[in-house]
Amino acid sequence: DQQVKQNSPSLSVQEGRISILNCDYTNSMFDYFLWYKKYPAEGPTFLISISSIKDKNEDGRFTVFLNKSAKHLSLHIVPSQPGDSAVYFCAANPITQGGSEKLVFGKGTKLTVNP
Amino acid sequence: DAGVTQSPTHLIKTRGQHVTLRCSPISGHKSVSWYQQVLGQGPQFIFQYYEKEERGRGNFPDRFSARQFPNYSSELNVNALLLGDSALYLCASSQPGVDTQYFGPGTRLTVL
Repeated sequence: DQQVKQNSPSLSVQEGRISILNCDYTNSMFDYFLWYKKYPAEGPTFLISISSIKDKNEDGRFTVFLNKSAKHLSLHIVPSQPGDSAVYFCAANPITQGGSEKLVFGKGTKLTVNP
Repeated sequence: DAGVTQSPTHLIKTRGQHVTLRCSPISGHKSVSWYQQVLGQGPQFIFQYYEKEERGRGNFPDRFSARQFPNYSSELNVNALLLGDSALYLCASSQPGVDTQYFGPGTRLTVL
């Protein structure tokens, strides 16, 4: 049962344009959402996060939008750069008793930014 | 400041053997979590430790165990290795009360 879904395995955009990566979730107990970027042979690098009490968070070229009613979040990268080419993972942290911080990941979307 | 460090980088074992993976968290981080990532999938939660106590466990068999030391470093142990245990094992650390986890580079385990 995939609680966090990234339905697009890959995305290709032109340098300078906007990249939009999407993520859907099914568990209403998720209260914190994160995006990670991963290059081959490296660990995931934290990009940006959003709490369930917000609907938007912005950090430089990266903006995350959260639509709780639709259980959907998206990551916007503007403008896209060739160095942004990587696999992007959406992750969610559920409210748990005892304070456990268990991230649930999607399968990832491979972004390719063409020069 | 140094990030999360993991050792070894790569490891090759045969079926039935035992393996120990090590992780040092970011200075000041008291929580360490372990994840398994197989090819084509996102990381899957194995364990979380905080102040040497197990805080959470994922859906993994008892062959998987972990512990955390007084200096907050951690070990992941896997017994009776199976071919399906071949994966990238990731360690992440976080500050108390902060949801963001920071990942190390991972240990690539190959079971032959």
